[in-house]
Amino acid sequence: GENVEQHPSTLSVQEGDSAVIKCTYSDSASNYFPWYKQELGKRPQLIIDIRSNVGEKKDQRIAVTLNKTAKHFSLHITETQPEDSAVYFCAAYNAGNMLTFGGGTRLMVKP
Amino acid sequence: NAGVMQNPRHLVRRRGQEARLRCSPMKGHSHVYWYRQLPEEGLKFMVYLQKENIIDESGMPKERFSAEFPKEGPSILRIQQVVRGDSAAYFCASSPTLLTRGGNTIYFGEGSWLTVV
Repeated sequence: GENVEQHPSTLSVQEGDSAVIKCTYSDSASNYFPWYKQELGKRPQLIIDIRSNVGEKKDQRIAVTLNKTAKHFSLHITETQPEDSAVYFCAAYNAGNMLTFGGGTRLMVKP
Repeated sequence: NAGVMQNPRHLVRRRGQEARLRCSPMKGHSHVYWYRQLPEEGLKFMVYLQKENIIDESGMPKERFSAEFPKEGPSILRIQQVVRGDSAAYFCASSPTLLTRGGNTIYFGEGSWLTVV
């Protein structure tokens, strides 16, 4: 089955700095990679996703890149704000029509 | 269009009791997934269902746990004879069809927090 590794597990940045979270996956057939943001006590919410036919996607301060050859994808948040503080999960879709999640990254943005 | 609806939001059970968690997918969605999240941990896949069918239950513990998605009504995750280690948030998610189709994705409900005392 699919295996998704996510790094770092915690990330602390100063407000206004950029944050980068990286994930690797094992199943070369995976072709859909969403990112979720989860605030304490709440559900994971989709913030951006990318499919294997594109290498990069951007939505305001958030961007995701995908390297299919290396089987890794990354989340980039620019101009971080305190409200960006949360746990972020990457995921990869496998042939069983399920999402396998990374272990999560706790992002702390210090004002 | 209401989102994925889960209930109860919070459930307290004594050891040995049964817990039943319900999930109504988004309108038009026929695929349901259950994930478990232990405190301070990630999301672990449990089971994937379509109407009246269990497609993949490879993440479900072999004993005490079962899931169904009947033709009518919500999906049910049932935990029998609960133990303290079952205390977790249980998230249901749904998608309209196979994720390989462009534009489709998976949406989560608000979760059901189970506490076993």
